[in-house]
Amino acid sequence: EVQLVESGGGLVKPGRSLRLSCTASGFTFGDYAMSWFRQAPGKGLEWVGFIRSKAYGGTTEYAASVKGRFTISRDDSKSIAYLQMNSLKTEDTAVYYCTRVGIKAGCGGDCYSYFDYWGQGTLVTVSS
Amino acid sequence: QSALTQPASVSGSPGQSITISCTGTSSDVGSYNLVSWYQQHPGKAPKLMIYEVSKRPSGVSNRFSGSKSGNTASLTISGLQAEDEADYYCCSYAGSSINWVFGGGTKLTVL
Repeated sequence: EVQLVESGGGLVKPGRSLRLSCTASGFTFGDYAMSWFRQAPGKGLEWVGFIRSKAYGGTTEYAASVKGRFTISRDDSKSIAYLQMNSLKTEDTAVYYCTRVGIKAGCGGDCYSYFDYWGQGTLVTVSS
Repeated sequence: QSALTQPASVSGSPGQSITISCTGTSSDVGSYNLVSWYQQHPGKAPKLMIYEVSKRPSGVSNRFSGSKSGNTASLTISGLQAEDEADYYCCSYAGSSINWVFGGGTKLTVL
């Protein structure tokens, strides 16, 4: 059974940093791209960024709202994806979800289509 | 302001069918058959219901179907059941500089 468990959320002051972890099980973690999303209280979903598998360079992409402040990384030996969040702002307050990324069939591998498994989320509150 | 436009709410009675629209632009929904739909119950994580416009993941009821015409994608739920009451979000790929965009979500009420 595929499981994703986020951890590391909490209360942090503006300008500070926080690192979230996403521990995966039930699938070969290294074969998949992983993505992070967030959902502000009472609001909709927002894509934060993703990291490709090592087979496709392990490179990352980010939403404009977090680019330069957030960094996604992965440790395939531990089946963990990380979201390092620096220079946090009050508007970063949200539940953060990690997801597995599905690949479009027949595409060759580096074209991503959907987000098929989600963790339960971890709440990050940025407040003084 | 979400990139994709969904109605804030829809409702239907048990057994009826409803359709939720998701309107984007020629840069996202209109350009890629990479529209997906997610169901979210209160306090829970989203769940993938439809991907690549009209494909259903294993385990998702065939009461859920998706389609697309031009810049608008649609999710149809037939034979409404009480457990379908949830928020529904559409998502589309929008090219390599923006990547993924979402609709603002639609609250489905089963009367």
